[in-house]
Amino acid sequence: GAVVSQHPSRVICKSGTSVKIECRSLDFQATTMFWYRQFPKQSLMLMATSNEGSKATYEQGVEKDKFLINHASLTLSTLTVTSAHPEDSSFYICSARAERNTIYFGEGSWLTVV
Amino acid sequence: AQSVTQLGSHVSVSEGALVLLRCNYSSSVPPYLFWYVQYPNQGLQLLLKYTSAATLVKGINGFEAEFKKSETSFHLTKPSAHMSDAAEYFCAVSDYGDDKIIFGKGTRLHILP
Repeated sequence: GAVVSQHPSRVICKSGTSVKIECRSLDFQATTMFWYRQFPKQSLMLMATSNEGSKATYEQGVEKDKFLINHASLTLSTLTVTSAHPEDSSFYICSARAERNTIYFGEGSWLTVV
Repeated sequence: AQSVTQLGSHVSVSEGALVLLRCNYSSSVPPYLFWYVQYPNQGLQLLLKYTSAATLVKGINGFEAEFKKSETSFHLTKPSAHMSDAAEYFCAVSDYGDDKIIFGKGTRLHILP
């Protein structure tokens, strides 16, 4: 079946640095991908909709300049957390739309900012 | 705006007992409804999905959910709980033609031996 892969699965970075998380659709093309974040013991909150070849659409309250999303190809979307701070530590998960409007989720990426 | 409300952040059932996780939705248009499961330190796995084809939806691992428009509900059930069912369960909603999935706050299911 369709698979969405995220990399890295876990990353630790120093406060003030930037970190990039990749979301790849392995066996299908995805014109649209979605990025969510999940704080410990909380639900998943949609951050933004990533559209191939165009700017991402951010949800209210999500800082565009802090969470840079690039959807450069039909199989890859990246989320870059810029100038990361400890409060950005979270579980980030992406999803991609396949044929017949089926949504597949990646396995998520744990970000820890120290 | 779409939303889902999950009643009970924690539910405990005995092994072998009925599992019932409650979800009510709010949507201005006929929605897609989902149940996802998240095991500790893992991503999301789709249990089942309602897309208006049938009101009773059967999913994986013996779970099923019934769409009740009159009650705006989409409760998840399983006749007999297993220890392996212990996880976080999320109800979610999206509009037709809109892929944004909005999640409920989740219900942690505990299975008692």
